Amino acid sequence: DVVMTQSPLSLPVTLGQPASISCRSSQSPVHSDGNTYLNWFQQRPGQSPRRLIYQVSNRDSGVPDRFSGSGSGTDFTLKISRVEAEDVGVYYCMQSTHWPHTFGQGTKLDLK
Amino acid sequence: EVPLVESGGGLVQPGGSLRLSCAASGFTFSTYWMTWVRQAPGKGLESVANIVRDGSGKYYVDSVKGRFTVSRDNAKNSLYLQMTYLRAEDTAVYYCATAGGRYWGQGTLVTVSS
Repeated sequence: DVVMTQSPLSLPVTLGQPASISCRSSQSPVHSDGNTYLNWFQQRPGQSPRRLIYQVSNRDSGVPDRFSGSGSGTDFTLKISRVEAEDVGVYYCMQSTHWPHTFGQGTKLDLK
Repeated sequence: EVPLVESGGGLVQPGGSLRLSCAASGFTFSTYWMTWVRQAPGKGLESVANIVRDGSGKYYVDSVKGRFTVSRDNAKNSLYLQMTYLRAEDTAVYYCATAGGRYWGQGTLVTVSS
């Protein structure tokens, strides 16, 4: 199985400050169709996961533009330009190129 | 409108069976691969089963192979997960989602305990 490794696992951030989460995959998530199915999810306390970013860098509809995704090969990053109170939760990267689809361990973002 | 609504969770004894259902609305269900993802209490996310658009291809994580069966009925916009020989380690919230994660349900809790 493809192992997804996130860092840090805990991310205390001051309101208005930037935040960055790293995700490394044990195998390239590039599909034979040429696309890279690397996604980012946010899970707020008590809620279902919500997809923020798909195929490395594409924001889903309704996702604020302070969220951005980047990366290539086996290294990927989610950035929040200015953290707001509603961003508190756990963030997961996930590859959906190889079965089983696998998630990172999760990064818990909270406010300092 | 909530795109996916799961049902069928509950308390079951080890070795027992349970069938989860997921009703889809607001999108063209038949055009999406679908997946079941579970989350054990206080833990992360784990993909459990995937099914292709017409139901002809099914994929399972090793830990549930031979025990769980995923199926779908595109005429009813519904996804199912038949779970048998349940174990304590299957205790989790089970989410149905479109493969790739664009749409998610609210989850249904399955507790395996005597």
